[in-house]
Amino acid sequence: GNSVTQMEGPVTLSEEAFLTINCTYTATGYPSLFWYVQYPGEGLQLLLKATKADDKGSNKGFEATYRKETTSFHLEKGSVQVSDSAVYFCALINAGGTSYGKLTFGQGTILTVHP
Amino acid sequence: DTAVSQTPKYLVTQMGNDKSIKCEQNLGHDTMYWYKQDSKKFLKIMFSYNNKELIINETVPNRFSPKSPDKAHLNLHINSLELGDSAVYFCASRVGVASNEKLFFGSGTQLSVL
Repeated sequence: GNSVTQMEGPVTLSEEAFLTINCTYTATGYPSLFWYVQYPGEGLQLLLKATKADDKGSNKGFEATYRKETTSFHLEKGSVQVSDSAVYFCALINAGGTSYGKLTFGQGTILTVHP
Repeated sequence: DTAVSQTPKYLVTQMGNDKSIKCEQNLGHDTMYWYKQDSKKFLKIMFSYNNKELIINETVPNRFSPKSPDKAHLNLHINSLELGDSAVYFCASRVGVASNEKLFFGSGTQLSVL
């Protein structure tokens, strides 16, 4: 079956520090990969996505590259802000008729950024 | 205008009670989902409907029964609530079932069973 593994949190950084949150996956076929973000008290929202190997998703200064050879989709940001404090979820959907768009999530990584 | 709205936002109830959570989306999407998020933030899919038809039914106790009266609404009814049902329940929707489409999430319903 499909699975997503993220680095354990929580992650605590100072403002302007470099962020990496590791994500690896197991899937049959060629999944689409996503990062979702959950701000305190809110639902999840899509941060970025990549749908094929070597694609790079980017948004709000965050980037992640779909690496098929290492089955990874690590999230990076060069300089974090206090407003980036949130829970970050790596996720995948397997292409194919029986997946019905079922999103499989990693366990989430809590990020706290201090001024 | 909230795209995916859930009610109530908070639900506190006693063990053994029956409760419902409602979800509505005004995006014109065909597919809706219920996810459960536990205290460690882990998200697990429960159900999905596409055009009012059940297409995903994960291993969920049959005390949980989804109902989709039309494609804009997906409600979740829970019978005989147990302590372990305490969690945040998220409704979500998307246009269809293609693998590259994003989900739109509601803001969640925090259920506390005492």
